[in-house]
Amino acid sequence: DSGVTQTPKHLITATGQRVTLRCSPRSGDLSVYWYQQSLDQGLQFLIQYYNGEERAKGNILERFSAQQFPDLHSELNLSSLELGDSALYFCASSVETGWSDTQYFGPGTRLTVL
Amino acid sequence: AQSVTQPDIHITVSEGASLELRCNYSYGATPYLFWYVQSPGQGLQLLLKYFSGDTLVQGIKGFEAEFKRSQSSFNLRKPSVHWSDAAEYFCAVWYNQGGKLIFGQGTELSVKP
Repeated sequence: DSGVTQTPKHLITATGQRVTLRCSPRSGDLSVYWYQQSLDQGLQFLIQYYNGEERAKGNILERFSAQQFPDLHSELNLSSLELGDSALYFCASSVETGWSDTQYFGPGTRLTVL
Repeated sequence: AQSVTQPDIHITVSEGASLELRCNYSYGATPYLFWYVQSPGQGLQLLLKYFSGDTLVQGIKGFEAEFKRSQSSFNLRKPSVHWSDAAEYFCAVWYNQGGKLIFGQGTELSVKP
């Protein structure tokens, strides 16, 4: 158990809908990272937040957005969902903001878009 | 373009045999290099990482990796594989230029008794 929690575990929705994925980092970790893992695209880094502010951006679509709240939990919002958005979405956390810091991964949220 | 290549999609080794998983990355200033393992239905776990210094890096679970700048490679090794090592392994590279973390396609490791 990494100490990172993600809810929900599974999510099934329809095209065009909007969903919110939630991540609670390990106690004391200030950075949160979001990743997408799909059969087509493999593993992709989406976005990083540190202490409430966006720090790095990867291959995140404009239909997707994220934020980190004062209690340090983070939410990833996916809107206008398409079939291709079906994937496993991971959240990770680390103590600091540098990429040299070890990231601890949550178990993921599996999103299925029908 | 920045890219990470794991040439082997699937590898099968016998328990007790040695293992080497290959990872090559496109040229850039010395990047940060990582190896992660993903067991079925699980998130990723960091095995080891390299930023600078000694090019031979020791990680958890008996794994090590060697950074070879001349070959743009960061291969993962283990002298004796255990059945519990069966999993998918990802190499990842952080490029300071552009602030991008890029993953390889992954190598699935099967261990036969």
